[in-house]
Amino acid sequence: DVKVTQSSRYLVKRTGEKVFLECVQDMDHENMFWYRQDPGLGLRLIYFSYDVKMKEKGDIPEGYSVSREKKERFSLILESASTNQTSMYLCASSSGQEGADTQYFGPGTRLTVL
Amino acid sequence: GNSVTQMEGPVTLSEEAFLTINCTYTATGYPSLFWYVQYPGEGLQLLLKATKADDKGSNKGFEATYRKETTSFHLEKGSVQVSDSAVYFCALGHYSSASKIIFGSGTRLSIRP
Repeated sequence: DVKVTQSSRYLVKRTGEKVFLECVQDMDHENMFWYRQDPGLGLRLIYFSYDVKMKEKGDIPEGYSVSREKKERFSLILESASTNQTSMYLCASSSGQEGADTQYFGPGTRLTVL
Repeated sequence: GNSVTQMEGPVTLSEEAFLTINCTYTATGYPSLFWYVQYPGEGLQLLLKATKADDKGSNKGFEATYRKETTSFHLEKGSVQVSDSAVYFCALGHYSSASKIIFGSGTRLSIRP
C-alpha cells in the first residue's frame, strides 16, 4: 500500500514565524501535491510538483513556497506565518503514469497560527 | 473550465437507510471521476473511481455510475452504517489539467444508530 506521511498532526506557531511542513511518500511517485482544507471551501491546491526540483503554482500559492530536493519528499514552507493560514494541510502523491490518476493522501497537519 | 458540483450537507440518516449524494461535473471530453472519503481525523482516501462513460465504480457497498448524458456521478449505498459517517468528496481529473484533480466542496454524512 502507498504510504504518505506528514511530519506533524498538530502544530501551533506564532504570527511571523517560518513554518516547515514535511511530506514523505514511499511509492516512488512522480507527482506530489499540497492542499489546504477549510470548512465550506473543500480542498484548494497550493502547489504541486511533477519531478524533483520542479514545481507549479496551484490555485492559492500566495504566502507559501515549496521545495522538492528528493523524489520522496515535498516540503511546504510558510515564510512568515499569518493567522489566515490557520488550516488543515494535506499532502498527496500520485504515480503520474496515467494522467489524472489516483492521488494518495497523508493524514494531514492541523496548523494553528496565533 | 472544468468543475465539480456536489450536494451540500450536512446529511443525516438513520442506520440502514438508503444514501444518495449527488455530484455533477462540467468538462469537455471524458474526464476521470472519483469519490474520496475522509473519516474523522484522517486524510482523504479513494473510495471508488470510473474512467469512462457507463463505468460503474464500487467499493464497501458504495456505487457510482459515470453518466455522460447527464454529466453526473452520484454516490449511492443501499444500507448505511454508523461507520459510514464521514465527509465525501466528488472529484474530477482531466487530461488538460495534467495530473491535477478538481475536488468538490465535500458532503458531511452523519448516520444515527
